[in-house]
Amino acid sequence: KQEVTQIPAALSVPEGENLVLNCSFTDSAIYNLQWFRQDPGKGLTSLLLIQSSQREQTSGRLNASLDKSSGRSTLYIAASQPGDSATYLCAANSGGGADGLTFGKGTHLIIQP
Amino acid sequence: SAVISQKPSRDICQRGTSLTIQCQVDSQVTMMFWYRQQPGQSLTLIATANQGSEATYESGFVIDKFPISRPNLTFSTLTVSNMSPEDSSIYLCSVLAGGQIREQFFGPGTRLTVL
Repeated sequence: KQEVTQIPAALSVPEGENLVLNCSFTDSAIYNLQWFRQDPGKGLTSLLLIQSSQREQTSGRLNASLDKSSGRSTLYIAASQPGDSATYLCAANSGGGADGLTFGKGTHLIIQP
Repeated sequence: SAVISQKPSRDICQRGTSLTIQCQVDSQVTMMFWYRQQPGQSLTLIATANQGSEATYESGFVIDKFPISRPNLTFSTLTVSNMSPEDSSIYLCSVLAGGQIREQFFGPGTRLTVL
């Protein structure tokens, strides 16, 4: 059974810093991995999706990497802004793309102005 | 992408009653999913709902407690039956959509409080 772990559980940094959020998964036979953002009282916003054949994906100030052999993914946020404050969730899809996702518990990020 | 709406957005219910949550998608999709997010926890998959077949439930979730309907390719409902305070959670539906690369898109969630 796939298990996803995210560290740190919470992070508070000053505005402008670059930061890295970590995600690890136990079953390397994943189809893809998604990073989401969740704002309080709201649903999930998909940030990046990395296919199993890919090593990284970039969108604006966000870069996500995937290392299947070590069971790790990282989300890099450059030049952080207060608007980046949210909970970031990592989710692994292990079922050929047609199954539900296995989520980590998330990293609660606060960017101090 | 897919745009998903859920009704109600939130509700407060009494113990022992049932609540039906609706999920509407702006395009036809084969696969829909229902998740639960308990307070302070991450999302847990409840069941997969494909049009034309019975929902498939994950370990720990049963049809009598969480009956699901999937009458067409754009709509699904999840009922939380005989509720107890432990059912207080955010319930989210999601769909698998996209072209060559398919990914999951989520609705805004239904925040349920059971007294």
